[in-house]
Amino acid sequence: QSALTQPASVSGSPGQSITISCSGTRSDIGANIFVSWYQHRPGKAPQLMIYDVLNRPSGISDRFSGSKSANTASLTISGLQAEDEADYYCSSYTLSSTWVFGGGTKLTVL
Amino acid sequence: QVQLVESGGGVVQPGRSLRLSCAASGFTFSSYAMHWVRQAPGKGLEWLAFISHDGPNKHYADSVKGRFTVSRDNSQNTLSLQMNSLRADDTAVYYCAKEYCSPTRCSYGFDVWGLGTTVIVSS
Repeated sequence: QSALTQPASVSGSPGQSITISCSGTRSDIGANIFVSWYQHRPGKAPQLMIYDVLNRPSGISDRFSGSKSANTASLTISGLQAEDEADYYCSSYTLSSTWVFGGGTKLTVL
Repeated sequence: QVQLVESGGGVVQPGRSLRLSCAASGFTFSSYAMHWVRQAPGKGLEWLAFISHDGPNKHYADSVKGRFTVSRDNSQNTLSLQMNSLRADDTAVYYCAKEYCSPTRCSYGFDVWGLGTTVIVSS
């Protein structure tokens, strides 16, 4: 159950777009559509941003979008805003009937 | 409103046990699978355990299998995590989380989280 691989940090200026990658294996991301993304601010509860690779829960801005290709999932945030600054985590269901998270990516809005 | 509140954290010596609880409100607890997730200091999120909506189906991360046990009491809207043989690397903030269900089906994401309870394993 190795963690999914994410870049430690990404940054962008307001209004720009950024993409966070999440690399896994054929046993997790590559095996199903059950990839999700979470925003986590210090002291707050994590928030579900994307589920099933590309779907947004009600209330999540359409500036957030998800995709997947083979064993790698991606989260794109367009029209970057200061409030987007947070840690972002990907997660995938696995063939072992477990879940695995990525190591997390710190997004800095310059 | 939909809410999860964890409790039971504290400072415990290595090798000892601790039981965490998660009180659910604002939704039909018995209809949803639940999870435990933790975050060690300076580290990322780590999934720990799953329990089906009715209780019999459970899965664990290798790091806690055989030491931690997840359970639920649907009559009390409560989720629990019994942690035995605690080690220093179990030090973390522990979150409970609810599975996400869209109007059409349930997914494998977690849409409601508590604020967590802190466990410190130290002599």
